[in-house]
Amino acid sequence: DAGVIQSPRHEVTEMGQEVTLRCKPISGHDYLFWYRQTMMRGLELLIYFNNNVPIDDSGMPEDRFSAKMPNASFSTLKIQPSEPRDSAVYFCASSFGRGTTEAFFGQGTRLTVV
Amino acid sequence: GENVEQHPSTLSVQEGDSAVIKCTYSDSASNYFPWYKQELGKGPQLIIDIRSNVGEKKDQRIAVTLNKTAKHFSLHITETQPEDSAVYFCAASIRGNTGFQKLVFGTGTRLLVSP
Repeated sequence: DAGVIQSPRHEVTEMGQEVTLRCKPISGHDYLFWYRQTMMRGLELLIYFNNNVPIDDSGMPEDRFSAKMPNASFSTLKIQPSEPRDSAVYFCASSFGRGTTEAFFGQGTRLTVV
Repeated sequence: GENVEQHPSTLSVQEGDSAVIKCTYSDSASNYFPWYKQELGKGPQLIIDIRSNVGEKKDQRIAVTLNKTAKHFSLHITETQPEDSAVYFCAASIRGNTGFQKLVFGTGTRLLVSP
């Protein structure tokens, strides 16, 4: 397996624009996580899915953020409208089993909102 | 609570020395404690983990200890090498409001091993 695949690797956008980040988890994994990493706040869990169903979205900062998982092999994280404070590296991770097993991370998407 | 505290934030050692990173957690129900290594431009990668029924685990130059009573766990790297230089994250499984377990990460330790 190629591991967790995220796209794009880098995204630069203007404030107010819509941004969509994409993730393909490892085949067979039933949990998918979206994290945000910043210098100030470290790795923050935004939302996670179990069998394509959102379980806990309490980490989503505000209504401008939304995430979907239409099938077992694809998830998106959307920010609309984007703001400069959304600039961060966004990671997707997947695991087989609950949050007590290894989570495999993608390479991340570095988002810059200008 | 959902806090995982990690210290130190930066650690500089000479090649061959040992490095120790410490974490504390607040949820007494936590039962899984992984450690991740993140190299520049990459995602975190698991290097070792420990479960609550074990007090210590070792894998070559890396060891992790867990004290459930005190709610703290530590990463020990012996005979450090320059390629150990990276950011290290501890994590603990936390039972969220939904009843599902999720991982909460510490704030990271930047380890620099000088030749």
